[in-house]
Amino acid sequence: EPEVTQTPSHQVTQMGQEVILRCVPISNHLYFYWYRQILGQKVEFLVSFYNNEISEKSEIFDDQFSVERPDGSNFTLKIRSTKLEDSAMYFCASRMEQGARNGYTFGSGTRLTVV
Amino acid sequence: SQQGEEDPQALSIQEGENATMNCSYKTSINNLQWYRQNSGRGLVHLILIRSNEREKHSGRLRVTLDTSKKSSSLLITASRAADTASYFCAHQALQGAQKLVFGQGTRLTINP
Repeated sequence: EPEVTQTPSHQVTQMGQEVILRCVPISNHLYFYWYRQILGQKVEFLVSFYNNEISEKSEIFDDQFSVERPDGSNFTLKIRSTKLEDSAMYFCASRMEQGARNGYTFGSGTRLTVV
Repeated sequence: SQQGEEDPQALSIQEGENATMNCSYKTSINNLQWYRQNSGRGLVHLILIRSNEREKHSGRLRVTLDTSKKSSSLLITASRAADTASYFCAHQALQGAQKLVFGQGTRLTINP
């Protein structure tokens, strides 16, 4: 069954450093998302991406965050200057279409620890 | 707030028993989805129910949706130890937004 692949699975970074989290969505999917889950808390929406542009973003997704789809396969989340409170599990997700027919396919996540 | 709420927060039952988890939300929705998350792992899509559906089945899973009460339930029948996980409901609003809004989740433990 097709999967969404995320790398790395774990990343430890120093506060203030830039990190790039990578995702390879399912190849024929058109809509891409990033979510995060702070330990013990609910999953929160960050950003959605369609047709090579951001279609929606949350309040969390401030100027420190950016997303890119640099080629036909990768979808990246960049955090420019990490803060301690950015420590969380970050999930990438994709779906084929907008309509209410299928759920999202999530990756296994990247656990980001900012020290 | 658009956030979903789930109850119970934690549920512990014996293997073979049925597990019921509930979810409420506050907006008009396009659909509601249930996901499973094993400890420290990714989210696995279980089932999607559209706003014009009232009940849906998938294997041992049964989901109901009551849009008048803005609530949904997930029933897992004949539970197994492997069903031990956290279960989240997530809804997609009717207007515009593509995002999923997740509930707090129910931590389900199946005791052998």
